[in-house]
Amino acid sequence: DSGVTQTPKHLITATGQRVTLRCSPRSGDLSVYWYQQSLDQGLQFLIQYYNGEERAKGNILERFSAQQFPDLHSELNLSSLELGDSALYFCASSPQGRYQETQYFGPGTRLLVL
Amino acid sequence: AQKVTQAQTEISVVEKEDVTLDCVYETRDTTYYLFWYKQPPSGELVFLIRRNSFDEQNEISGRYSWNFQKSTSSFNFTITASQVVDSAVYFCALSEPRYGGATNKLIFGTGTLLAVQP
Repeated sequence: DSGVTQTPKHLITATGQRVTLRCSPRSGDLSVYWYQQSLDQGLQFLIQYYNGEERAKGNILERFSAQQFPDLHSELNLSSLELGDSALYFCASSPQGRYQETQYFGPGTRLLVL
Repeated sequence: AQKVTQAQTEISVVEKEDVTLDCVYETRDTTYYLFWYKQPPSGELVFLIRRNSFDEQNEISGRYSWNFQKSTSSFNFTITASQVVDSAVYFCALSEPRYGGATNKLIFGTGTLLAVQP
């Protein structure tokens, strides 16, 4: 158990809908990262937040957005969903200080868009 | 450009065999970090090891060992006396600190599926 929690574990929805994925980082970690794992794209970095502020953006679609709240949990919002958005979405957090580059991953949210 | 290549898509071994998973990376930075993660059939990503670019010492942890060679840009992972529980997809990843270390996004390889047969 990495200490990173993600809810829900599974999500089934229809095209055009909007969903919210939630992540709680490990205690004390200020950085939260979101990744998407799909069969065709592999594991791809989406976005990073640090203590409530966006720090880096990767291949994140405009239909996707994220935020990190004062209690440090983060939400990834996916809207106007398409079949191709079906994937496993991971959240990760990293500690401060010497090992800040090490990311610990949550169990993931498996999204299926029908 | 940063890139991680895991040329072995699938490897199948019989229990107790040794197996080496290859990882080759590309980066122009002198400071970077390399990682291995394990993804068992249950789906979670489990951190195994972190190595920084200035530390070329090989590391051994139980049945696991890692060989980092900057000269060949490789960071290979060996499992000795493999077990069925080692069956998983293994990912090699690279991160390069940016903005004074403020971001360390991971660039993953495509993964190697290891199947250990009893």
